[in-house]
Amino acid sequence: DTAVSQTPKYLVTQMGNDKSIKCEQNLGHDTMYWYKQDSKKFLKIMFSYNNKELIINETVPNRFSPKSPDKAHLNLHINSLELGDSAVYFCASRGYAFYEQYFGPGTRLTVT
Amino acid sequence: GENVEQHPSTLSVQEGDSAVIKCTYSDSASNYFPWYKQELGKRPQLIIDIRSNVGEKKDQRIAVTLNKTAKHFSLHITETQPEDSAVYFCAARPQGAQKLVFGQGTRLTINP
Repeated sequence: DTAVSQTPKYLVTQMGNDKSIKCEQNLGHDTMYWYKQDSKKFLKIMFSYNNKELIINETVPNRFSPKSPDKAHLNLHINSLELGDSAVYFCASRGYAFYEQYFGPGTRLTVT
Repeated sequence: GENVEQHPSTLSVQEGDSAVIKCTYSDSASNYFPWYKQELGKRPQLIIDIRSNVGEKKDQRIAVTLNKTAKHFSLHITETQPEDSAVYFCAARPQGAQKLVFGQGTRLTINP
């Protein structure tokens, strides 16, 4: 009954590959987010979707493409992976008219 | 846009003592200020939050204070315990925005 879940938990891949991370929430929330946490622990927002509509797109390379098939799911596809993409990627969700965001367990991506 | 500065970046206190972490924000219209705790290898978890119409909020050993005039807010942890050791993040929500802007994080270590 995990509220916000992500798969996979760990992802090790080589430069140039394409990979996807999946996120699902069972809280009935309308808004979902992707964050990147680098080695210095800084949490940086990447994207946000509200009811399948993209509402936030921070300065992220267009190799990153989010996709929300429905409001409970938000996936992140990354093309042509680079060493600098190595980080922990967190999904989060928020309910309508609420401010609190709840984070998933994170996906540790390592690009070699 | 909103900018959140968090200090100190590291904090070490003796078990049983109090710990204080401070954040300043730039957008006077920001109206929601959460604090997250992130243990090693885990997700950020919301521990306490405050809205702009409140000056102080307390939950057992943790409290948050907000000074809107000075645009700063602080997290206070009393009677610290080893399990309080973690990275703590403050954040601010600009009014009308559907995102949080995070501070850089504070690594708190409780020494037995």
